[in-house]
Amino acid sequence: EVQLVESGGGLVQPGESLKLSCAASGFTFSGSPVHWVRQASGKGLEWVGRIRSQANFYATAYAASVQGRFTISRDDSKSTAYLQLNSLKTEDTAVYYCSGSRMGDDGFDIWGLGTMVTVSS
Amino acid sequence: QAVLTQPSSLSASPGASASLTCTLRSGINVGTNRIYWYQQKPGSPPQYLLRYKSDSDKHQGSGVPSRFSGSKDASANAGTLLISGLQSEDEADYYCVIWHSSAWVFGGGTKLTVL
Repeated sequence: EVQLVESGGGLVQPGESLKLSCAASGFTFSGSPVHWVRQASGKGLEWVGRIRSQANFYATAYAASVQGRFTISRDDSKSTAYLQLNSLKTEDTAVYYCSGSRMGDDGFDIWGLGTMVTVSS
Repeated sequence: QAVLTQPSSLSASPGASASLTCTLRSGINVGTNRIYWYQQKPGSPPQYLLRYKSDSDKHQGSGVPSRFSGSKDASANAGTLLISGLQSEDEADYYCVIWHSSAWVFGGGTKLTVL
């Protein structure tokens, strides 16, 4: 079964850090880009960033709203990707989804169930 | 002006067809972009439906019925998700996405009501 499972969400205070994980199974993780997408309560989807495969030099890209604060990494030996969230703000409160691709391009067709991040004092 | 503009809501009757549009900002050419479409039901993660650039460059998501299809309207600089034979289970939010200026950009989403 194709699966992505996020973990690591929780409640943190503004300015603090958090690291999310995304564990993959059932598809060729090493060849897939990994995207992170978030959704604030009652709002639309917002792309956060992505990391490409080794064949694409693990290239990363980020949304302007998180550039310099969030970092995406991956460990293909563990079929796991990570999202490091630093200097968190209240507006970062959202469900964070990881997403991968079987399509052979940079898009995303596989989604996890998401993990909730709440930034509040 | 947003990169991608979607109508906030759309209503249609069961059995009818619904055309959901995704208009690209002026200066962004719909003809050169792959447009991805996602469906999201309340309390669930998004699900990939399809990708469309042209009839020779398209991709249907695994298990996605053929009554979901993509197209483009070059004159309107827009991509379209067409859902034919609407069913009550199609009631959901629908999002379009493109790659633009080194980032993936979501449209604001369309809430489709089937009634």
